[in-house]
Amino acid sequence: SAVISQKPSRDICQRGTSLTIQCQVDSQVTMMFWYRQQPGQSLTLIATANQGSEATYESGFVIDKFPISRPNLTFSTLTVSNMSPEDSSIYLCSESYRITDTQYFGPGTRLTVL
Amino acid sequence: DAKTTQPPSMDCAEGRAANLPCNHSTISGNEYVYWYRQIHSQGPQYIIHGLKNNETNEMASLIITEDRKSSTLILPHATLRDTAVYYCIVRVLNSGGSNYKLTFGKGTLLTVNP
Repeated sequence: SAVISQKPSRDICQRGTSLTIQCQVDSQVTMMFWYRQQPGQSLTLIATANQGSEATYESGFVIDKFPISRPNLTFSTLTVSNMSPEDSSIYLCSESYRITDTQYFGPGTRLTVL
Repeated sequence: DAKTTQPPSMDCAEGRAANLPCNHSTISGNEYVYWYRQIHSQGPQYIIHGLKNNETNEMASLIITEDRKSSTLILPHATLRDTAVYYCIVRVLNSGGSNYKLTFGKGTLLTVNP
């Protein structure tokens, strides 16, 4: 599996601001995904980050709130926009080398919004 | 989506085998069963996956019933570091058929006791 890193590992932000989370993979992969894990809850898929095109969002998530970029096969960003305390969560990226391959997860970014 | 049912919690003595059950009675013939674990809000760690046959790797064994409606993850010699939430997931194609989705349930909190 590829090695996945995320930046920042944690942050505390003020209401109304935005935070961009970076996900870096150490090899070229076909698929990258972004998940959210709210406190005490399981993981929920936000979107699939598509290289060279717009991300594919899951029901309940919109591009204006969670814009995603994927400029190449090793890097993606997720922005959490106009944050509120309800956005306090762990945000995780994952990758799979090919569509049919196993997904591997990064360490996560713990976000607290005050 | 094929849903899974897992007990919310289990206990196991250190050094003994941990057997974690999962029910996936609505699984389709070409859908894989995946197991991940999450230790204290770290990123989920891939354990093992299977389609029909039993599988074994350095971490665990996966036993899938002949009708594929249930499976059991076996940790042969549990250690304290195996304390985690274990997720059983049926991997399905997304609605557009362009990639596979992992839908995380609540999982089983396995506590390994000294």
